[in-house]
Amino acid sequence: GAVVSQHPSRVICKSGTSVKIECRSLDFQATTMFWYRQFPKQSLMLMATSNEGSKATYEQGVEKDKFLINHASLTLSTLTVTSAHPEDSSFYICSARDRGQGVYNSPLHFGNGTRLTVT
Amino acid sequence: EDQVTQSPEALRLQEGESSSLNCSYTVSGLRGLFWYRQDPGKGPEFLFTLYSAGEEKEKERLKATLTKKESFLHITAPKPEDSATYLCAVTSGYSTLTFGKGTMLLVSP
Repeated sequence: GAVVSQHPSRVICKSGTSVKIECRSLDFQATTMFWYRQFPKQSLMLMATSNEGSKATYEQGVEKDKFLINHASLTLSTLTVTSAHPEDSSFYICSARDRGQGVYNSPLHFGNGTRLTVT
Repeated sequence: EDQVTQSPEALRLQEGESSSLNCSYTVSGLRGLFWYRQDPGKGPEFLFTLYSAGEEKEKERLKATLTKKESFLHITAPKPEDSATYLCAVTSGYSTLTFGKGTMLLVSP
């Protein structure tokens, strides 16, 4: 159980274009989903918290107009990287918490990540 | 601000050579400490949650323990398939997790 599906797993795009990444909870409902970014040999850095039916909450230093997040249902959140630049190249990972478990201290379940390369 | 420090950064073991990974944390009111395994190019896979000092959890060759300042992930008689990066994370009452940088474990046959 607790499977999170993330697509695509890899994407290469040209500078200036936009890329959409999907995150789905397959066997549970998630009121909240989280988007992380990970650089090689670095920790996961939280970018934003996605709340179903409301606006996302962005961490300090993350441009909300560049990283558009939509959480349209209890099982789907999307991250769109707009006007991508080479410095946006990274590993993006989504996660979700089962709304049927405790709010603060239940584990997050992660997707398998999206490797974005901007040329 | 919650902080998590993991050591060592990398660990090389021979198959069958038991060892421990350390996760030191600073939080204002620990609500949960989590261990994850991450394979290259993949998302983290949940292993354990620990909630209070003295608690222990086991899964196959892995055993996680928790004190008021740190957690240990003990690996008994590891196999090559245990090679991965092990991540520790804490939550202190907000909905997000704070992660350490991880320990990269390599088990040689």
